[in-house]
Amino acid sequence: DTGVSQDPRHKITKRGQNVTFRCDPISEHNRLYWYRQTLGQGPEFLTYFQNEAQLEKSRLLSDRFSAERPKGSFSTLEIQRTEQGDSAMYLCASSLAGGQTGELFFGEGSRLTVL
Amino acid sequence: DQQVKQNSPSLSVQEGRISILNCDYTNSMFDYFLWYKKYPAEGPTFLISISSIKDKNEDGRFTVFLNKSAKHLSLHIVPSQPGDSAVYFCAASVYPGNTPLVFGKGTRLSVIA
Repeated sequence: DTGVSQDPRHKITKRGQNVTFRCDPISEHNRLYWYRQTLGQGPEFLTYFQNEAQLEKSRLLSDRFSAERPKGSFSTLEIQRTEQGDSAMYLCASSLAGGQTGELFFGEGSRLTVL
Repeated sequence: DQQVKQNSPSLSVQEGRISILNCDYTNSMFDYFLWYKKYPAEGPTFLISISSIKDKNEDGRFTVFLNKSAKHLSLHIVPSQPGDSAVYFCAASVYPGNTPLVFGKGTRLSVIA
C-alpha cells in the first residue's frame, strides 16, 4: 500500500497524559499536512511541512500541540497534557508542492478519545 | 469566521435522480476549489476540482459548477447511486497547491434505493 498511513488508528487516554501520532506520507510527496476533525465539522488545518521545514504553525490549537518532520519523511504530532476537548480525529495528508491540482491525499486518521 | 460554507448538513435523494450539493465562500482570493468525499472511518478522498478560470468541470457522473461573482459552487451527481452515500466536503485554496486547503463543514448525502 503506497498511500498515507497513520498510527495509531485509535488512542484512548486519560486527561493530562501526552499522546503522539505518526504519519507516513506518500513517498514522493514533499508536503505533509495535519488537520483535525471534530464531529459535524470539516477538517481544520493545524500545520504543514515542506520537506523538514514547518511552513505554518500558527494554527496549532495551543502550545500543548507540536509537530515535527525531522528528516522530511514521516511526521509526528504530539499533544501534551491532553484535555477532553482534544478528543477528535487527527488527519494527515500529503501532496507534491507545485503540483497542478493542489490535491491533498489523506490518511485514514487517528481518532483520539480523552477520558 | 467560516470562509467556506456548506449550509445544508444533509441531503436525501432517490437513486437515479440528480444530487446537487452547494458551497459558498467568502474569501475573494480563493481561486481553486475541490470536492472531497468521506466514508465513515476513512479519510477524505478527492473527487473533482475546478480553477477560477473555468466555470464548469466534468468527470463522469460528477460535474462542478463555479459562479465567481456569486462566490458559489455546486457539485452535481447524475445519476445518483447508493454508493454515493457519504459526506461531501467543499474545499478552497488561494493557489493550487500553494496554500493549505480550507474546508467547509460538509453535507451528508443519502441516496435511497
